Amino acid sequence: RKEVEQDPGPFNVPEGATVAFNCTYSNSASQSFFWYRQDCRKEPKLLMSVYSSGNEDGRFTAQLNRASQYISLLIRDSKLSDSATYLCVVIRTDAGGTSYGKLTFGQGTILTVHP
Amino acid sequence: DTAVSQTPKYLVTQMGNDKSIKCEQNLGHDTMYWYKQDSKKFLKIMFSYNNKELIINETVPNRFSPKSPDKAHLNLHINSLELGDSAVYFCASSQDNSNEQFFGPGTRLTVL
Repeated sequence: RKEVEQDPGPFNVPEGATVAFNCTYSNSASQSFFWYRQDCRKEPKLLMSVYSSGNEDGRFTAQLNRASQYISLLIRDSKLSDSATYLCVVIRTDAGGTSYGKLTFGQGTILTVHP
Repeated sequence: DTAVSQTPKYLVTQMGNDKSIKCEQNLGHDTMYWYKQDSKKFLKIMFSYNNKELIINETVPNRFSPKSPDKAHLNLHINSLELGDSAVYFCASSQDNSNEQFFGPGTRLTVL
């Protein structure tokens, strides 16, 4: 089982739609969670961190459920410019509580927003 | 102005050759990383250096050798290139281990 799993999609939605992505992680030692965005043939960029209480940044809302080891990203009022691959990312710590910054990526969910 | 830069952007070479990819960051970060993104788009960490010291070394063939001359640079040297090494290699940096990582533009390596 992959350490971080996402539905690869693709998700094809009209402008203005609301779309949700899900992600599960297998290692309960995972401590930090992020959503990154990667445009075609570009580098990944941080979209937002995910906090236990859930957090919102404009049209984007991230949720974390530690009991179910589940992370979600909700995008409201989709724009054409939201078309990209969305990467679920976790950092886990070792037995001593050190993370070393080792990001573990899901395979990404492809989103295409059309007019 | 580029925060994390890599050279070259594209690299096409024959099997068996030795090549290097260079990475530099001007953000003053202490930690730098190399990632590989294969044809299936999976991003996997290869190495991490903190203040020129190796702290992560994933299961990577020893044909790959990172070198950090100073904390602003992390280069990747690859010996005896194989077809399976074809991928996009991303360099990244962060202030410390838990902060946001900033990625370079990637180096697209094609081994023929």
